[in-house]
Amino acid sequence: QKEVEQNSGPLSVPEGAIASLNCTYSDRVSQSFFWYRQYSGKSPELIMSIYSNGDKEDGRFTAQLNKASQYVSLLIRDSQPSDSATYLCAGRKYNFNKFYFGSGTKLNVKP
Amino acid sequence: DVKVTQSSRYLVKRTGEKVFLECVQDMDHENMFWYRQDPGLGLRLIYFSYDVKMKEKGDIPEGYSVSREKKERFSLILESASTNQTSMYLCASSLSPLADSTDTQYFGPGTRLTVL
Repeated sequence: QKEVEQNSGPLSVPEGAIASLNCTYSDRVSQSFFWYRQYSGKSPELIMSIYSNGDKEDGRFTAQLNKASQYVSLLIRDSQPSDSATYLCAGRKYNFNKFYFGSGTKLNVKP
Repeated sequence: DVKVTQSSRYLVKRTGEKVFLECVQDMDHENMFWYRQDPGLGLRLIYFSYDVKMKEKGDIPEGYSVSREKKERFSLILESASTNQTSMYLCASSLSPLADSTDTQYFGPGTRLTVL
């Protein structure tokens, strides 16, 4: 099993809808989780980080972490065409420098 | 704001050439990383460094070496470029050594390398 796994998509949602992106992780990843957005041909850009069980909200973005079930999700409310990108989930083991990245989920928001 | 810069956005080299990719960060970060990103394979860690002159192999170090002579600069070297090293190369940095669980990686703009 890969350390961090994501559905590659594409996930298509209409403009204004909620986009839900999911990620599961293995026991090797335990402490901190990150969501990055990557536009085509560009480098990953950090959107949110989450370290504790539960929800964390930042504007239209909500990250959710469930350590018992080993999944982390990103909800994008009121999706816009400008949200169309690949979203990378990353996890890190406590006291360890290395990040484990998922392969990314491509999101298409249709006008 | 954290700024990570890479020496070139696009680079074209010939098979067998020695290639240098440079990365500079301006936030006094301890850790620096080199990844390559290929369609369907995601981000793969080549090497990372947690201190000047210190380096550790990542998942795919074969065919690459690195140099970190100064804290702000981390270089990736392709000793003898091959066509299978055609890829997007991404440099990243993060602030702290092992203990901080909130430590975040910040990426440079990437170098798209083509080896002919």
